[in-house]
Amino acid sequence: KAGVTQTPRYLIKTRGQQVTLSCSPISGHRSVSWYQQTPGQGLQFLFEYFSETQRNKGNFPGRFSGRQFSNSRSEMNVSTLELGDSALYLCASSPGSLGNTIYFGEGSWLTVV
Amino acid sequence: AQSVTQLGSHVSVSEGALVLLRCNYSSSVPPYLFWYVQYPNQGLQLLLKYTSAATLVKGINGFEAEFKKSETSFHLTKPSAHMSDAAEYFCAVSTGGTSYGKLTFGQGTILTVHP
Repeated sequence: KAGVTQTPRYLIKTRGQQVTLSCSPISGHRSVSWYQQTPGQGLQFLFEYFSETQRNKGNFPGRFSGRQFSNSRSEMNVSTLELGDSALYLCASSPGSLGNTIYFGEGSWLTVV
Repeated sequence: AQSVTQLGSHVSVSEGALVLLRCNYSSSVPPYLFWYVQYPNQGLQLLLKYTSAATLVKGINGFEAEFKKSETSFHLTKPSAHMSDAAEYFCAVSTGGTSYGKLTFGQGTILTVHP
């Protein structure tokens, strides 16, 4: 079955702009999580959505937001982009229960100039 | 709160040699532990996971890991390295609660395999 799909794969934005990234989870998965990966900070948890509700949130400023739709697809938005937001943004999906395997997409590479 | 420490940001081995990547965790509750691999310009691929069923966990591509509660460790091993194993490896922990989709990752270990 199809894996986790993220779009777009690559994008370049200018400081101050906003960006929306999209994620389609594996069919049947109700949990979608987002992570930011940078060389300096490594992999950091942004937030998790389960059945359209944010279940947990990492330590990121309010400029980072997300949502989940009724079909479990998710979007994350970053407003007022800063140079430091340049990163690989990874989406992950799972059925949503304890111990479930968490599957990752290929990521969206965001460069802020 | 949980945390993960991967000892050694870079590990270099010869092809055919033993691979040992170290991971120690900290958790106040029984953890779920994962090893992921990331190839250049790709996402994370699950190698194996520990969910309390067995302390020795076998994964894909010949990798395995042993959960040692007394040492709070979950080291990843492979008896014989292959050139295709060169990648970055991440150990991660999940402690459930209301955060089933939240993984806390180690800083990663870059594995280099020499011919």
